[in-house]
Amino acid sequence: EAGVVQSPRYKIIEKKQPVAFWCNPISGHNTLYWYRQNLGQGPELLIRYENEEAVDDSQLPKDRFSAERLKGVDSTLKIQPAELGDSAVYLCASSPRDSYGYTFGSGTRLTVV
Amino acid sequence: GNSVTQMEGPVTLSEEAFLTINCTYTATGYPSLFWYVQYPGEGLQLLLKATKADDKGSNKGFEATYRKETTSFHLEKGSVQVSDSAVYFCALSDQGFQKLVFGTGTRLLVSP
Repeated sequence: EAGVVQSPRYKIIEKKQPVAFWCNPISGHNTLYWYRQNLGQGPELLIRYENEEAVDDSQLPKDRFSAERLKGVDSTLKIQPAELGDSAVYLCASSPRDSYGYTFGSGTRLTVV
Repeated sequence: GNSVTQMEGPVTLSEEAFLTINCTYTATGYPSLFWYVQYPGEGLQLLLKATKADDKGSNKGFEATYRKETTSFHLEKGSVQVSDSAVYFCALSDQGFQKLVFGTGTRLLVSP
């Protein structure tokens, strides 16, 4: 079984530029999460999807961050414009609905210069 | 809100030493508790979990017991190896498994 696939693995951009991250969850997993992990910290939830519906986006900075999950499968997280403080690892995870079976992707390491 | 507190690292040990990484939590209701491990350059991997009080999670020689009376979930291993060097995260989820709340992580360095 393929795991959660994220791309790109690394991204370096200049501040004020846009950036997008892509996630392909495990087949059949209804729930998809985006977490942000700052250097030396634990991951923090940005947004949670149940199928194509964003059911918890309370921690997503909506002025510059957006996310979508078309057809309840793949998801894209976008930042526009990026700021220096957005440098972090962005992790995607998926799980079956209403159960614990989290699988994390390898993450995208974003560096904003 | 829910929160997790872990001991700060790095924890530096010699091979075959005994390991304890402390974790305490604050939560309403009856959370599930987890330990995740992150090896250099890799994503988070579930190490073990416990879903109710007095449960003991175990995997690869690591153990942790869900102690509701002390709100703790300390990670232990009797004899560490160099290959155990990694960052360890304690985490909890609410009863609906809606999200994970992580501690700040503890780096373990094991020398030969």
